[in-house]
Amino acid sequence: ETGVTQSPTHLIKTRGQQVTLRCSSQSGHNTVSWYQQALGQGPQFIFQYYREEENGRGNFPPRFSGLQFPNYSSELNVNALELDDSALYLCASSWGWGTGELFFGEGSRLTVL
Amino acid sequence: AQKVTQAQTEISVVEKEDVTLDCVYETRDTTYYLFWYKQPPSGELVFLIRRNSFDEQNEISGRYSWNFQKSTSSFNFTITASQVVDSAVYFCALSEGDAGGTSYGKLTFGQGTILTVHP
Repeated sequence: ETGVTQSPTHLIKTRGQQVTLRCSSQSGHNTVSWYQQALGQGPQFIFQYYREEENGRGNFPPRFSGLQFPNYSSELNVNALELDDSALYLCASSWGWGTGELFFGEGSRLTVL
Repeated sequence: AQKVTQAQTEISVVEKEDVTLDCVYETRDTTYYLFWYKQPPSGELVFLIRRNSFDEQNEISGRYSWNFQKSTSSFNFTITASQVVDSAVYFCALSEGDAGGTSYGKLTFGQGTILTVHP
C-alpha cells in the first residue's frame, strides 16, 4: 500500500511568485485535504477535495487554489506569494470525507524570501 | 467558531515516567469529533484516536489512554511508562460532524505539545 507522497519536499520562492505543490493520495483514497503549518503552530485547514470537487474551504484568500485529478492526486497553487506563506504544507488523504482519520504526507516546506 | 487549546507547549520527562497531555476545546456544535495526532520529526502527522461527542467512555490502547470529559470540554491523553520513541509533537484536533458517525473532515488543531522523553 503506497502512502501519501508530496513534492517537492523543499522549495524557495520570492515574494510575488507563484508555486504549485503536488500530492499523490494513498491507494484507494478519494479525498484530499490541504493544511498549512507555520513554524511552531498547529496545521490550519486550507481546503478539501472529494471526487474532484472542492468540499470545504478554510479561511484562506482566493490566491490559494487547488485541483483534484481523476486519479485523486491533487495540486495546491498559491499565487502572489507573501512572506507569511512560508510554512510546511501538508496533504492528507482519506476514504470519503467522513471519518476524520487522515493519512498525511511528510509535507512540502516552502520558504518565501 | 471552534477552538482547541493545548496549554502545555513543551513537556520533558525521563523514560518510564507517565505523562499527560492536556486538551481543552470549544465548540457550539452538539455533534463533534475529537482527535489526537502525533507528529514525529519526519513531519507527517500520524492518527492516534477519534472520539465522538456522544461517547464519553475512556479508551486504552497499550500504553496510551484517553480521558474525555464533556463537562469540562477536555480530552486528555496519557502515555504510561514513556519511551524515547514517544518523543514528538502531539496535536489535539476537533471537527464537527453528524450523529451518523460522519466527521466533516475539516479539522481544527491545537498548537501542539512538544514531548521530549529522555533516556
